[in-house]
Amino acid sequence: NAGVTQTPKFRILKIGQSMTLQCTQDMNHNYMYWYRQDPGMGLKLIYYSVGAGITDKGEVPNGYNVSRSTTEDFPLRLELAAPSQTSVYFCASRYRDGSEAFFGQGTRLTVV
Amino acid sequence: AQKVTQAQTEISVVEKEDVTLDCVYETRDTTYYLFWYKQPPSGELVFLIRRNSFDEQNEISGRYSWNFQKSTSSFNFTITASQVVDSAVYFCALSEAKVKGSTLGRLYFGRGTQLTVWP
Repeated sequence: NAGVTQTPKFRILKIGQSMTLQCTQDMNHNYMYWYRQDPGMGLKLIYYSVGAGITDKGEVPNGYNVSRSTTEDFPLRLELAAPSQTSVYFCASRYRDGSEAFFGQGTRLTVV
Repeated sequence: AQKVTQAQTEISVVEKEDVTLDCVYETRDTTYYLFWYKQPPSGELVFLIRRNSFDEQNEISGRYSWNFQKSTSSFNFTITASQVVDSAVYFCALSEAKVKGSTLGRLYFGRGTQLTVWP
């Protein structure tokens, strides 16, 4: 099993550009998450989804959008990138509430 | 209010010392789940343990042990005879069940404790 796969691993964006961070899981998990981790800080929830077609905002959704058209994929869209979005982004998935989450390797994004 | 509080931002110990990482959580649910994750310097997040709210039995796995106390809403993690390889950021997390509305499915993380073990 590949688990949770995130692409790209690294990216540099210019201010105002847009991009999509890809996340796919092959474990048939219902729940998927996007977190960001700023240097020396914890994980902040951006968006999450409890199933295909269902998404909800987390703590820091501004400047991001998501969609969940399939169980496997949960892309994160950054519109009009800003330096404040420089961070490491983690995608995660889990089967249900009592299950542990599996994390992708992370995407290191720098906005200059 | 923080759902999960890890009051210790950084801890430094010398190898072979025992160290306890604190985690205090807040929930009104009777059914919930607690987790610990490790993030080594390489950056990936590694699952360590899961505990549900109905199981207060302490867990020991090698040098690691977890003390879950509902009375104090705490789920503390102890490393015995710490090693340099234990150096990492450790996160405690909470998942609530049987919660109506938009909080269903959310996974709350504490801010993490940076543990440094010196040789």
